[in-house]
Amino acid sequence: GNSVTQMEGPVTLSEEAFLTINCTYTATGYPSLFWYVQYPGEGLQLLLKATKADDKGSNKGFEATYRKETTSFHLEKGSVQVSDSAVYFCALRPNDYKLSFGAGTTVTVRA
Amino acid sequence: DVKVTQSSRYLVKRTGEKVFLECVQDMDHENMFWYRQDPGLGLRLIYFSYDVKMKEKGDIPEGYSVSREKKERFSLILESASTNQTSMYLCASSFAGGAGTEAFFGQGTRLTVV
Repeated sequence: GNSVTQMEGPVTLSEEAFLTINCTYTATGYPSLFWYVQYPGEGLQLLLKATKADDKGSNKGFEATYRKETTSFHLEKGSVQVSDSAVYFCALRPNDYKLSFGAGTTVTVRA
Repeated sequence: DVKVTQSSRYLVKRTGEKVFLECVQDMDHENMFWYRQDPGLGLRLIYFSYDVKMKEKGDIPEGYSVSREKKERFSLILESASTNQTSMYLCASSFAGGAGTEAFFGQGTRLTVV
């Protein structure tokens, strides 16, 4: 079946530090890959996505590249801010449209 | 802006009660989802609907049922609530535009079963 594995948190960083959150997946076919973010007290919102191999999704300074050979979609940001404190979810969506999520990684950025 | 509205932010119910969680979307989306979110487990799919009156079981459907009589509304039903169903419930919707289509989420309903 389809599954997503992402690095466990929590992750605590200082402002302007580099952030990486690892995500690997198992899927049949060619799923689309997503990163969603959940800010405190809010619902999930799409951060970025990639729909085919070697695509790079980017938004708000975050980037992730769809690597089919390593079945990975790692999230990176070069310089985090306090406002980036949130829970980050990696997700995949195959052609049957069922969206599957990883366990989530809590990121806290300290000033 | 797309809006997915869940009827309650917080709900407290007693063991054995029948519980209805309602979700309404205003963007004419074909697909709607119900998830539960638990610490360390992420979001787990309970049920998925790809059209009116059409549904598919997700990964954890036991103890739940759903109803989709109108395109904009997707209801999650706990037939007999139990304490292990205490959780955050999230509704989502999307167009049926392919695997790359974005899903939009509601604010969530935190259900406590006592």
